[in-house]
Amino acid sequence: AQTVTQSQPEMSVQEAETVTLSCTYDTSESDYYLFWYKQPPSRQMILVIRQEAYKQQNATENRFSVNFQKAAKSFSLKISDSQLGDAAMYFCASENRDDKIIFGKGTRLHILP
Amino acid sequence: DTGVSQDPRHKITKRGQNVTFRCDPISEHNRLYWYRQTLGQGPEFLTYFQNEAQLEKSRLLSDRFSAERPKGSFSTLEIQRTEQGDSAMYLCASSSDSGRRADTQYFGPGTRLTVL
Repeated sequence: AQTVTQSQPEMSVQEAETVTLSCTYDTSESDYYLFWYKQPPSRQMILVIRQEAYKQQNATENRFSVNFQKAAKSFSLKISDSQLGDAAMYFCASENRDDKIIFGKGTRLHILP
Repeated sequence: DTGVSQDPRHKITKRGQNVTFRCDPISEHNRLYWYRQTLGQGPEFLTYFQNEAQLEKSRLLSDRFSAERPKGSFSTLEIQRTEQGDSAMYLCASSSDSGRRADTQYFGPGTRLTVL
């Protein structure tokens, strides 16, 4: 079975600092995708970044980057230069060949001014 | 492109009543997904459509739940004989089918259901 685990229910970071959100996953497949989604308070969930499992290179989107450790089944998200608008729930997720996204329980990120 | 829309945004109902939610995907997106999100949890997959065909249903989707997507455009999710355990946010997402794997899913704002 496909599982995604986020062990940090909440985190806080000072504005302009860097924060890393952790995620581990488990899958028996070799072809899968990993995602980080952001869900701001009372707003729609949006995709932050995605990683194809077959790619060695870590994905990067502006201030957001991932550390993908395939052997360890670890997929952490690093947010650099944190901004107030980054405050949200962040969900780690995976998708196998069956096209279903499996989400973790989320990490609530607080940005301290 | 107006994004994925859902209606209503909030629904309060009494236990035992039937409710129906609507999702309008991004135009030209032929895949549509339904998820359920309870407090403190991530979204859980319920079902999805490729055009008008319902391709998969989660075991979470009991017989009281039914989803349709007539003509492959908007979709409805109906819950019959609602129970308090059905209280949740119901999210809809859509994606194109570009032929590559894992096309980005775009989420709607959700319908928050409260069953009294």
